[in-house]
Amino acid sequence: QSALTQPASVSGSPGQSITISCTGTSSDVGGYNYVSWYQQHPGKAPKLMIYDVSKRPSGVSNRFSGSKSGNRASLTISGLQAEDEVDYYCSSYTSSSTYVFGTGTKVTVL
Amino acid sequence: EVQLVESGGGLVQPGGSLKLSCAASGFTFSGSAMHWVRQASGKGLEWVGRIRSKANSYATAYAASVKGRFTISRDDSKNTAYLQMNSLKTEDTALYYCTRGYCSGGSCYFGGYWGQGTLVTVSS
Repeated sequence: QSALTQPASVSGSPGQSITISCTGTSSDVGGYNYVSWYQQHPGKAPKLMIYDVSKRPSGVSNRFSGSKSGNRASLTISGLQAEDEVDYYCSSYTSSSTYVFGTGTKVTVL
Repeated sequence: EVQLVESGGGLVQPGGSLKLSCAASGFTFSGSAMHWVRQASGKGLEWVGRIRSKANSYATAYAASVKGRFTISRDDSKNTAYLQMNSLKTEDTALYYCTRGYCSGGSCYFGGYWGQGTLVTVSS
């Protein structure tokens, strides 16, 4: 199972919106509505930001939203803030009853 | 308060074995799936495997990179999950996290709660 493909980096100015893509196949992203997104600060455990493609856990800012079209999922961060400048990973359930992570994206706030 | 505490990491030679533990509290452990995720220093996240609850027959699943070498088990009486790692390779060197999974009623995800991780170093 190959890792899902994410851009290595995405940048935006404060207040802008950015979108991080997560591209898989019909055996993972395209086949199930079980895509999650995680935020990870350096030296810290990941934090679940989105699950089931577009659902937000309690306590996660509504500036974070998720969507999916075909084999590609997306995480959008609106109203970009300095504190958003960390790493983001997607993950998906697969047809092998396993999970796979994305390659990770570093967000830079200009 | 939900807590997950991993332990058992350390230095091991290539070809050796190590067993990690994940002690859970603050939620109904017996009804939860438990996942293991690892991260090599400076690298991305890698899903390792998971074990489901008794209601789901303690079913396990593993990443291809560890299948046949790693085994996940659990002891619901101790609220603890385990990751037995055999035939370790240098590329297994990573910080290993345990995390709670949830899969029911059209919803399926993991990572709502994480431990602090335990470091495994495979080196001669």
